[in-house]
Amino acid sequence: KQEVTQIPAALSVPEGENLVLNCSFTDSAIYNLQWFRQDPGKGLTSLLLIQSSQREQTSGRLNASLDKSSGRSTLYIAASQPGDSATYLCAVLNSGNTPLVFGKGTRLSVIA
Amino acid sequence: DTGVSQNPRHKITKRGQNVTFRCDPISEHNRLYWYRQTLGQGPEFLTYFQNEAQLEKSRLLSDRFSAERPKGSFSTLEIQRTEQGDSAMYLCASRKAGANVLTFGAGSRLTVL
Repeated sequence: KQEVTQIPAALSVPEGENLVLNCSFTDSAIYNLQWFRQDPGKGLTSLLLIQSSQREQTSGRLNASLDKSSGRSTLYIAASQPGDSATYLCAVLNSGNTPLVFGKGTRLSVIA
Repeated sequence: DTGVSQNPRHKITKRGQNVTFRCDPISEHNRLYWYRQTLGQGPEFLTYFQNEAQLEKSRLLSDRFSAERPKGSFSTLEIQRTEQGDSAMYLCASRKAGANVLTFGAGSRLTVL
């Protein structure tokens, strides 16, 4: 059974700092990995999707990497801003016919 | 295309009452998923449909829960005889078969008093 772990559970940084969020998964036979953002009381917004054959994906100040063999992914946020404050969720898809399995998320606070 | 729509956004009910949530997916998406999320946790899978067929149900989906997608378009999630432990955010998501990205709705928050 796939299990996804995210560390740290919460993180507080001053504005402008670069930061890394970590995600690990137990079953490395994944189809893809997705990072989501969730604002309080809201639904999920997809940020980046990495296919199993890819090593990284970039969108603006966000960069996600994938090391499938070690069961790890990182989300790098450059030059953090107060608007980045949210919960970031990592989710893994094992095949096209299985549901996404989520971690518990990292709650990020960026202090102005 | 207005994305995935969920209604109601918030429902407060007394223990023992029945509640129903509705999800309208993106029109060309034939796969629809229901997830439940409690405070401080990630979303947990409940069930999913391909068109009108319910293909998988989680062990979390007790006998009090039922989901339907009668015409392969919108879906409903009904909870009978609600309990306080049912208080959570119920999230709906959809995608095309073969597509990678899952699009989530804003969720329906249930509070059972």
